[in-house]
Amino acid sequence: IAGITQAPTSQILAAGRRMTLRCTQDMRHNAMYWYRQDLGLGLRLIHYSNTAGTTGKGEVPDGYSVSRANTDDFPLTLASAVPSQTSVYFCASSVASGNTGELFFGEGSRLTVL
Amino acid sequence: GQNIDQPTEMTATEGAIVQINCTYQTSGFNGLFWYQQHAGEAPTFLSYNVLDGLEEKGRFSSFLSRSKGYSYLLLKELQMKDSASYLCAVRDENYQLIWGAGTKLIIKP
Repeated sequence: IAGITQAPTSQILAAGRRMTLRCTQDMRHNAMYWYRQDLGLGLRLIHYSNTAGTTGKGEVPDGYSVSRANTDDFPLTLASAVPSQTSVYFCASSVASGNTGELFFGEGSRLTVL
Repeated sequence: GQNIDQPTEMTATEGAIVQINCTYQTSGFNGLFWYQQHAGEAPTFLSYNVLDGLEEKGRFSSFLSRSKGYSYLLLKELQMKDSASYLCAVRDENYQLIWGAGTKLIIKP
């Protein structure tokens, strides 16, 4: 059972380049999320999707876009990367948004923008 | 604004007991979560509290007081593998999770 798979696990990127972080889950969860984690700060929500075909903005959405064409996939795109987007990115899923259950996280994608 | 406070770092001895506190100020409350995160790894779920009181799960227990905006995670019989960061998160009135910065727990032999 894979759970949530993220790719790439690590990437160094030149500023101004476009980058897509991939996220796939095999648990048939309705809700999916993208977080960034920076030293000294809590996880911050970038974008979320309550169900396939819908997306919403989180706390820090600027510079990022997402799509949810199907239940399993939730890619995160940086249209033109900037150094402040250097971070560890976690994709997560839950059975449904607003439920009392847990979030399941991918292993993270470490992105460095130079 | 919304805020979750927890200590940045704590140190404890193998075999001992440690209590990690979390205080919160959020717009509404729909549950409090604790997650464990080992260095370089993904967070994993530990506990969920929505009503006041203590929830026990093996060596780990979590307590909630909604009137005080306060929770703690209690770890008993500490093992070296418990060295990790512990994240407190509160679900607000919009069912969005607000995360604390995490408490790094260092276990010494």
